Amino acid sequence: AQKVTQAQTEISVVEKEDVTLDCVYETRDTTYYLFWYKQPPSGELVFLIRRNSFDEQNEISGRYSWNFQKSTSSFNFTITASQVVDSAVYFCALSDNTGNQFYFGTGTSLTVIP
Amino acid sequence: NAGVTQTPKFQVLKTGQSMTLQCAQDMNHNSMYWYRQDPGMGLRLIYYSASEGTTDKGEVPNGYNVSRLNKREFSLRLESAAPSQTSVYFCASNAGVSQPQHFGDGTRLSIL
Repeated sequence: AQKVTQAQTEISVVEKEDVTLDCVYETRDTTYYLFWYKQPPSGELVFLIRRNSFDEQNEISGRYSWNFQKSTSSFNFTITASQVVDSAVYFCALSDNTGNQFYFGTGTSLTVIP
Repeated sequence: NAGVTQTPKFQVLKTGQSMTLQCAQDMNHNSMYWYRQDPGMGLRLIYYSASEGTTDKGEVPNGYNVSRLNKREFSLRLESAAPSQTSVYFCASNAGVSQPQHFGDGTRLSIL
């Protein structure tokens, strides 16, 4: 069975602190895809990153970085020098090898305090 | 630059009423999806359509029906609404396997 676990329900940090959002996944597929989405208070869902199971390179985009480790089935997301605009709910998601079924975690609500 | 458009944005129904949520995308995507979002539950897939003319069940299909009217449009129908179907419903589309999904702005549905 496919499953995504985001154990951190809510996190609060003070502006400029670094924060890591955890994502652990379960799948029996050898080919799969991992995603992170951001849902700001306005409610829309914004795509942040996609990673396939064959690419374990970490990725950095500005203040955002992602650490993919197949050995621990984790795909963690770090925000460096957090800002108030980073306040949102962040979802990790897993897509199976058909690319048709998507499984979302329950989300982590991040609050950045000015 | 519309992307994925959902209508309506808000709706209140009485138990037993029926309703169709509409979704249209203008990105020429093959695949379309319907999700529901409930507090503490994340997004759960209701139905998806991998291509025009096909639909398949997701994780929580009971109480819903869908129609892929053409490549652009994918509707979700509640035949007899129940309070347990109170939720925010999101439509999404993507270009195919491994591609990120583009989401609509959601429909907030309350069933009394």
